[in-house]
Amino acid sequence: DAKTTQPPSMDCAEGRAANLPCNHSTISGNEYVYWYRQIHSQGPQYIIHGLKNNETNEMASLIITEDRKSSTLILPHATLRDTAVYYCIVRVSVEAAGNKLTFGGGTRVLVKP
Amino acid sequence: DTEVTQTPKHLVMGMTNKKSLKCEQHMGHRAMYWYKQKAKKPPELMFVYSYEKLSINESVPSRFSPECPNSSLLNLHLHALQPEDSALYLCASSQLYRGVGQPQHFGDGTRLSIL
Repeated sequence: DAKTTQPPSMDCAEGRAANLPCNHSTISGNEYVYWYRQIHSQGPQYIIHGLKNNETNEMASLIITEDRKSSTLILPHATLRDTAVYYCIVRVSVEAAGNKLTFGGGTRVLVKP
Repeated sequence: DTEVTQTPKHLVMGMTNKKSLKCEQHMGHRAMYWYKQKAKKPPELMFVYSYEKLSINESVPSRFSPECPNSSLLNLHLHALQPEDSALYLCASSQLYRGVGQPQHFGDGTRLSIL
């Protein structure tokens, strides 16, 4: 699986957009980009994933560069409840063996009032 | 509330005890996973079951014994654990479908303490 690089921490202001970067320069053509987050004392929560195109759902938007070597997760209006560790993971889906996720260090995001 | 239910939420056991962690999902997912998470570290994959068969074992010590009795249940049997096995144990499930990335749904884990 391609390695990902994320900043260890970042602060953002409540109500403002939070832009979380992720570098995955060795990504291959069949690897997806997944974003998960883990709020304190909870299990990881799936946010969004994509292959080539930009994606949006009710939680966030995922912007993938044209060369697919980096991506940005956008939380459009950060709230205090968005304080969490955010993980960017790159993985190819292998049906028979299940979807093996390798979590890196993630970005610890603190949303401030 | 998560759609993956893990019990118990907390477990304290001695090194000679035998206990089991349980995980249940009713989303029709055919892949289920066990992860271990030490404090302030990311989750690490332990086991993957696909179609109720063990498909991945990440070189986990034999004192951890997984079991998938049916497509909705996943157990982790514990025996003769060591203090360093104290951690948060997370269960997850996902669909299995070639060609489309399928997200995993996690439970909130069992926090295990070994005395």
